[in-house]
Amino acid sequence: DAGVTQSPTHLIKTRGQQVTLRCSPKSGHDTVSWYQQALGQGPQFIFQYYEEEERQRGNFPDRFSGHQFPNYSSELNVNALLLGDSALYLCASSDAPATNEKLFFGSGTQLSVL
Amino acid sequence: GNSVTQMEGPVTLSEEAFLTINCTYTATGYPSLFWYVQYPGEGLQLLLKATKADDKGSNKGFEATYRKETTSFHLEKGSVQVSDSAVYFCALRTGGGADGLTFGKGTHLIIQP
Repeated sequence: DAGVTQSPTHLIKTRGQQVTLRCSPKSGHDTVSWYQQALGQGPQFIFQYYEEEERQRGNFPDRFSGHQFPNYSSELNVNALLLGDSALYLCASSDAPATNEKLFFGSGTQLSVL
Repeated sequence: GNSVTQMEGPVTLSEEAFLTINCTYTATGYPSLFWYVQYPGEGLQLLLKATKADDKGSNKGFEATYRKETTSFHLEKGSVQVSDSAVYFCALRTGGGADGLTFGKGTHLIIQP
């Protein structure tokens, strides 16, 4: 049973560029959340997707957007990259928003913005 | 807003020592509390949780009690093993299931044989 998978593992971009990160949830899960983890910090909630809609959003600008597909996989898009966007981006899944207490996390995508 | 404060690491202990990792929180509303663990090279995974005051969460020999009066959720283990070496994150959630978790900065635990 595959867990949460994320791609790519590592990514290098330059300021002003756009990036797309991908996530496949754990089998049987339909809810996907995205978190940003800066070096030495805990993960920060970006947003959650359920039924192909954004259900909740953390304190992140509109440059951060997402999408969920009918197969429950998800993408995180970041436009106009800033140096401060360099971080580990984590995807987490659960089997419904109501049971969001037990999240399964992927290993993350390490984004470096130069 | 919500925030979680954890003791700074790294914390280095000898095998079989007693472990305490302190966690305190501030929250708007009545939070659920969690400890997540990240082993080297792996994703975060839920270690234990508590959803109301005086509840004790436990798993793999780890315990934490939800103390509303002191707004704390300290993680304890009576006898640590080398395999417990990992980064431990305290977290909380208020509101409904769609709300995200608020994490502390994490505590790196190193257990020496």
